[in-house]
Amino acid sequence: DAGVIQSPRHEVTEMGQEVTLRCKPISGHNSLFWYRQTMMRGLELLIYFNNNVPIDDSGMPEDRFSAKMPNASFSTLKIQPSEPRDSAVYFCATSGGTHTDTQYFGPGTRLTVL
Amino acid sequence: TQLLEQSPQFLSIQEGENLTVYCNSSSVFSSLQWYRQEPGEGPVLLVTVVTGGEVKKLKRLTFQFGDARKDSSLHITAAQPGDTGLYLCAGARHNFNKFYFGSGTKLNVKP
Repeated sequence: DAGVIQSPRHEVTEMGQEVTLRCKPISGHNSLFWYRQTMMRGLELLIYFNNNVPIDDSGMPEDRFSAKMPNASFSTLKIQPSEPRDSAVYFCATSGGTHTDTQYFGPGTRLTVL
Repeated sequence: TQLLEQSPQFLSIQEGENLTVYCNSSSVFSSLQWYRQEPGEGPVLLVTVVTGGEVKKLKRLTFQFGDARKDSSLHITAAQPGDTGLYLCAGARHNFNKFYFGSGTKLNVKP
């Protein structure tokens, strides 16, 4: 299995631009999580989906952030407009199958907003 | 404010030494997990503990869940350079779908 796939691995953009991060979950996993990691705040849960439905988005910082999961194979996290304080590593993680308590993390997308 | 506080934040030791990392909270968790994260990668699950007082061993790593399910510790015996990384604890309060992560302990084991 290829594991959780995230793209791009690195993104550098200018303030005000739209940024879209992508995630392909492990096949058969029905829960998907988006996290943000920074030195100051550590690893924070932004939103999670169960069976493609958003269950808890209380961690989404503000309206500039949105996430979608149109099908079981794909999810996006969009920031519009981006700001320098959004610079962080964004992780996608999925769980499911026989071990629902185990989250498998992708390699992350390092976002830099200038 | 973090729900889970880890200590120490940084730890630099020589190969062969023992160490303990702590994860504390004032909240009760239904389960607690420990992850290790290496630079440029996502966290990888090491263990899950669900019963108060539970002790689990993974080779040279020993994990303990506090009796009251509010805290946990990770003990490494005879640390090796390959143990270097960021260790994160994560607690679930009501279901396995929402985990709160600790601030992390950055471990460096020098050869």
